[in-house]
Amino acid sequence: AQSVAQPEDQVNVAEGNPLTVKCTYSVSGNPYLFWYVQYPNRGLQFLLKYITGDNLVKGSYGFEAEFNKSQTSFHLKKPSALVSDSALYFCAVRDLYNTDKLIFGTGTRLQVFP
Amino acid sequence: EAQVTQNPRYLITVTGKKLTVTCSQNMNHEYMSWYRQDPGLGLRQIYYSMNVEVTDKGDVPEGYKVSRKEKRNFPLILESPSPNQTSLYFCASSLSGDISNQPQHFGDGTRLSIL
Repeated sequence: AQSVAQPEDQVNVAEGNPLTVKCTYSVSGNPYLFWYVQYPNRGLQFLLKYITGDNLVKGSYGFEAEFNKSQTSFHLKKPSALVSDSALYFCAVRDLYNTDKLIFGTGTRLQVFP
Repeated sequence: EAQVTQNPRYLITVTGKKLTVTCSQNMNHEYMSWYRQDPGLGLRQIYYSMNVEVTDKGDVPEGYKVSRKEKRNFPLILESPSPNQTSLYFCASSLSGDISNQPQHFGDGTRLSIL
């Protein structure tokens, strides 16, 4: 079965420090991977995606993610966290059989402390 | 402004009283979808629609209905709501065909409480 896993319910980081939000996937074939962010009382917003090519993809708000095929991971990273980055982050993979459908992870709450 | 609009944003109601959550998009998107978000479960797809008059079940369709009479609208109907449908609901849309090329746009959510 296709799935993504986000092993951490919450990640705490001090402002200015680097942050990592973890995601691993289980998909046969080549995965199409996405990160979305959800701010309080808002819908999900697209951050970045990996389809093919360079393993390091850059997205909105200074975020980037590294695709690692051997570890089946797609971790979200940012070199220097901001308090305004505090939000709920979702990793997702495109459904192999329904190419309009996303399969989401359970979400990781990022808390950036001043 | 390109957007997906859901109404109402919040609703508290009682078991068995039919309700409809509306969703409208102004981007001429063909694909629309409903999700529910529950703690520890992430987002799960309820129903989706590839185009007008075409709807299909997602992963958790029980207790829900949808319709797609017009391209821009995709209402979610709970004919006889029950407490286990208390959740946060999101409508989403995308151009069509393959989300690899076009990301999904989400509404701001509807928080439903069924007593």
